[in-house]
Amino acid sequence: DVKVTQSSRYLVKRTGEKVFLECVQDMDHENMFWYRQDPGLGLRLIYFSYDVKMKEKGDIPEGYSVSREKKERFSLILESASTNQTSMYLCASSPRQENQPQHFGDGTRLSIL
Amino acid sequence: AQSVAQPEDQVNVAEGNPLTVKCTYSVSGNPYLFWYVQYPNRGLQFLLKYITGDNLVKGSYGFEAEFNKSQTSFHLKKPSALVSDSALYFCAVRDGANFNKFYFGSGTKLNVKP
Repeated sequence: DVKVTQSSRYLVKRTGEKVFLECVQDMDHENMFWYRQDPGLGLRLIYFSYDVKMKEKGDIPEGYSVSREKKERFSLILESASTNQTSMYLCASSPRQENQPQHFGDGTRLSIL
Repeated sequence: AQSVAQPEDQVNVAEGNPLTVKCTYSVSGNPYLFWYVQYPNRGLQFLLKYITGDNLVKGSYGFEAEFNKSQTSFHLKKPSALVSDSALYFCAVRDGANFNKFYFGSGTKLNVKP
């Protein structure tokens, strides 16, 4: 089974801090994704990466950056955390083939105080 | 443009009754369609997919989905609901022109009452 592991289930940080969310997948997938999920807004794509060192902005990239130095690891960085970034963050991976689904981690519930 | 619509925010059914969670889609090219389930404080879990072939697709936990090309729908069904099926369900489509992109519906909360 594919495993996508997010480093923290729950995280509490302070406004202005630089926050790192880590995600690792073990199935050699080319694509990796970061979403945030908020009540009433569904899933919104922040960034995705289709290869090592490659990234593309999603729908809501402002205030975030990403890093993919190795194929299995995709990091989301909040440059200067703000309270409106309190949310559930979901990482996903998928192979490049069109007939394959994404596989999700269990999420990180991030609170910015 | 690709899009997915789940017209119902919430579906309520009694345990033992059949359930349907609706999804319609808009794609250019061949549709690659998926259903996911999300339990509280967990990530999304893949249930089933439609790529090509039979219009009735079977998936995990007794779920199935019916693909209807003329109505551009991909409804999730189960013949007999369980209380443990209560969760949030998402329909998704993978962009046939750009396989890096997935589009999700807004989610439907399924409540199964004993």
